[in-house]
Amino acid sequence: DAKTTQPPSMDCAEGRAANLPCNHSTISGNEYVYWYRQIHSQGPQYIIHGLKNNETNEMASLIITEDRKSSTLILPHATLRDTAVYYCIAQRLGSNTGKLIFGQGTTLQVKP
Amino acid sequence: DGGITQSPKYLFRKEGQNVTLSCEQNLNHDAMYWYRQDPGQGLRLIYYSQIVNDFQKGDIAEGYSVSREKKESFPLTVTSAQKNPTAFYLCASRKGFREDSPLHFGNGTRLTVT
Repeated sequence: DAKTTQPPSMDCAEGRAANLPCNHSTISGNEYVYWYRQIHSQGPQYIIHGLKNNETNEMASLIITEDRKSSTLILPHATLRDTAVYYCIAQRLGSNTGKLIFGQGTTLQVKP
Repeated sequence: DGGITQSPKYLFRKEGQNVTLSCEQNLNHDAMYWYRQDPGQGLRLIYYSQIVNDFQKGDIAEGYSVSREKKESFPLTVTSAQKNPTAFYLCASRKGFREDSPLHFGNGTRLTVT
């Protein structure tokens, strides 16, 4: 499975868009990009995922570059409750794909 | 409501004792996972199971053991051979390895060994 690289930390002003980048330059054609976030001392929570196309749901938008080597998670109007660690992982379908590896993630601090 | 239940939330043990962490899911998911998290660190994979009666080692399996006798249960035993057992342990599940499905996590068990 592809390795992902994220900046260790980012700040964002409350009410502004938070753009969290993820590099996955070795991603293969059948690997999805998944985003999760972890609020302190809780289990991670699924946010969004995509394969090739940009995706949007009620929580966030996901922009995947055309070559699929990187992606950006966008929280359109960040609130203080969005302060968390955000993880980007590459997840493949099919046999022998159970090993899902998380990196260090990006700590997003939303400031008033 | 469907979900993953990890118990207990906090667990304290003396060094040299084995301890078993519980993980139960009622989501009818095939695949289950155990991760370990140390302060300020990401998640590291201990063991995973894609189907009942089968499981594979993750990156840090030494000193741990698991069983998968039932689809809904995936207990983790931290043995006395685990050199640094104090950590936050997270259990997760997903529908199946052939499906485009996200991981669902429990709220973790914080183990302290003294």
